[in-house]
This record gives sequence, structure tokens and C-alpha cells, in this order.
Amino acid sequence: AQTVTQSQPEMSVQEAETVTLSCTYDTSESDYYLFWYKQPPSRQMILVIRQEAYKQQNATENRFSVNFQKAAKSFSLKISDSQLGDAAMYFCAYRRGGSQGNLIFGKGTKLSVKP
Amino acid sequence: GAVVSQHPSWVICKSGTSVKIECRSLDFQATTMFWYRQFPKQSLMLMATSNEGSKATYEQGVEKDKFLINHASLTLSTLTVTSAHPEDSSFYICSGLPLSSYNEQFFGPGTRLTVL
Repeated sequence: AQTVTQSQPEMSVQEAETVTLSCTYDTSESDYYLFWYKQPPSRQMILVIRQEAYKQQNATENRFSVNFQKAAKSFSLKISDSQLGDAAMYFCAYRRGGSQGNLIFGKGTKLSVKP
Repeated sequence: GAVVSQHPSWVICKSGTSVKIECRSLDFQATTMFWYRQFPKQSLMLMATSNEGSKATYEQGVEKDKFLINHASLTLSTLTVTSAHPEDSSFYICSGLPLSSYNEQFFGPGTRLTVL
């Protein structure tokens, strides 16, 4: 069975600084997708970034980028120039490729941004 | 991105009553919808997966007779919590996966259920 592990329950960053959130996963599949979701206090889940496993290039979305290490089964999220609005719970998630199966979520990391 | 709505956004009910939560995909057809439960400061826990026109598939430990799921159309799924008890109080989130999409699934804003 696939698992997703986020080893940092809480993280803190100074405004305008950079922070990296860790995520590791376990799977025997070769085709899959990885995601980072943000859940602010409103509790609306927001997709931050996604990565297809077959792509070697790391995904980027403005201030958000990932470090995808397929062999190590690692998928970290880097937030550059942190803003107060980045404060939220961040969930790493996995979906098996070629299917409409469910997302498997990690336990989440609570990110605080200090002004 | 596509929009999923949930109604109601919050509900308070008495123990023993039933509560229905609606989940609608507003601008796409969701062949698959997922229902999650989230306790405070915890991750999302998948309760069940529903496909339009067929019975829902429930995760281990989720009582299908207590949490009734209906996915009668490509834009509407409902979750009914029957004979609710205080331990059913939680945050319920639905999510829709568009046809032929293996990438992004779209989440509703959630429903907070409080059972007195």
C-alpha cells in the first residue's frame, strides 16, 4: 500500500524568507502523481503544485517549487519570499497514475509566517 | 480551476436525527466523487468513493448504513449521516474528479457538522 509521510508537524518562517517542507512517500508503482495542497483557516483545500512522476523536471508555480527525487521517493516543497498569506496547513498527496483513484494524504505540516 | 459547492456549510442537529450534505460540481462533470472526514488538526480521511450511477465504495471502518452516499448525477453527490451522534461531529469535505482527469481533483469548501 502507498503511504505518504510528512515528518514536520509544524514549521515557522520569517516573512520574505524561504522555507522547505518535507514529504516522503512509498510506492511500488512507476506511474503516479504527487501534489501539495494548502488548507488555510477557511479549510478550503487549494492545489499548490503537482508533479507527474514521469517528468524529471521539477515543477514550479511562481514562488512555489518542488524538489522531486524519484529514487529517494522524496517530494519537498520550497516556498520562496514567504508571505503572511502562506500561513496554512500543507498536505502532501499521492495518486496512482492511470486511475481515478483517491488521493493519499500525509498528516500535514502547519506553517506559520512571522512578520 | 473548477468549482465544487457544498451545502450546508455548517449544520447543528440533535442526536438521533439525520443530516444530508450536498456536493455539487458547478462547471464540470464529476464521474467520481470522494467524501472525506477531517477532525481538528488532522489530515483528511477518505470515507468513500462514489461513481455516478453505481454504489459507493466505503473505506474500511466506515459504516455504509450510517453514512449513505448517493451519486445520482454527474454533478451531484449527497452524504446522509443517519441517526447522528456526537461522535459524528466533524468537518466533511467532498471532492470531484472530472472525467478522464488523473491530475487535479477539486474540493468543496466543507461542511461542519455538530451533533448535540
